[in-house]
Amino acid sequence: QLQLQESGPGLAKPSETLSLTCTVSGGSISSSSYLWGWVRQPPGKGLEWIGTMYYSGNTYYNPSLKSRVTMSVDTSKNQFSLKLSSVTAADTAMYYCVRHAGGYKRGEILPVKWFDPWGQGTLVTVSS
Amino acid sequence: QSVLTQPPSVSGAPGQRVTISCTGSSSNIGAGYDVHWYQQVPGSAPKLLIYASNSRPSGVPDRFSGSKSGTSASLAISGLQAEDEADYYCQSYDSSLSGSLFGGGTKLTVL
Repeated sequence: QLQLQESGPGLAKPSETLSLTCTVSGGSISSSSYLWGWVRQPPGKGLEWIGTMYYSGNTYYNPSLKSRVTMSVDTSKNQFSLKLSSVTAADTAMYYCVRHAGGYKRGEILPVKWFDPWGQGTLVTVSS
Repeated sequence: QSVLTQPPSVSGAPGQRVTISCTGSSSNIGAGYDVHWYQQVPGSAPKLLIYASNSRPSGVPDRFSGSKSGTSASLAISGLQAEDEADYYCQSYDSSLSGSLFGGGTKLTVL
C-alpha cells in the first residue's frame, strides 16, 4: 500500500524559505502514470493546490505561488521536496504531500486528475 | 475567474439523503474536466471519496455517488450516518490556471 510521509521544520521565520520533504513508501516515485504534489490548508480554511511535478522534472505550479515555489525530486531516495521562499504569516498551514493521477495529452503526462493518497500532513507555522 | 463554488454548509437527519453542489465554469468543469470529491474528518487528512466525477475508490460505500452536468457537479450521500459528518471538497483541473482547483468546502452536519 502506497504511503506518503511529510517531514521538515514545523516553524519558519518570516522572509525565510520553508522546506519540506515527502518520502514515498510502498511504491516507486518513478511510476509513469503518476505525478507528485503538495496541497496546503491554513488553519480553519480550505484546501489550496501548491504544485505538482513528474519524476523526470516537469513541474506545474499554482500561478498565485509560482514565483516563490520550487519542487524537486530525488528518485534514489524515493522522495520529493517543496521549497517556498519569502514566507509570511499567510503561509502558516498544514502541508500535505499527495500522489497526483495524471492524464496523457500528445505524449505528455499532465496533472489533470485526482489526489490519492495523501500524507498525514505537517503543520508549518510562520512566526518570528 | 477560476473558482469552484460550494455551499458552506448542509445538514440532514440520519437516514436522509443530502446533496452538495460544486459549480464551476467553462475553463474547468464546463470544459469537460472531471470532478473529484474528498472527505475530511476533523483532525485528519482529506480522503478521496469520488474520482472521475462518478467512480468510487475501493472501500467507499455505495451510499456516496457523484454526477456532473454542464458546468456543475454534485455529491450525493444517501442513508446519512453520524460518521458522515465531515467537510467535503470538490476538485477539478482548470485550463486557465493550468492546474488544480478546489472548491471552498462544505461542512456536513448530521442532525
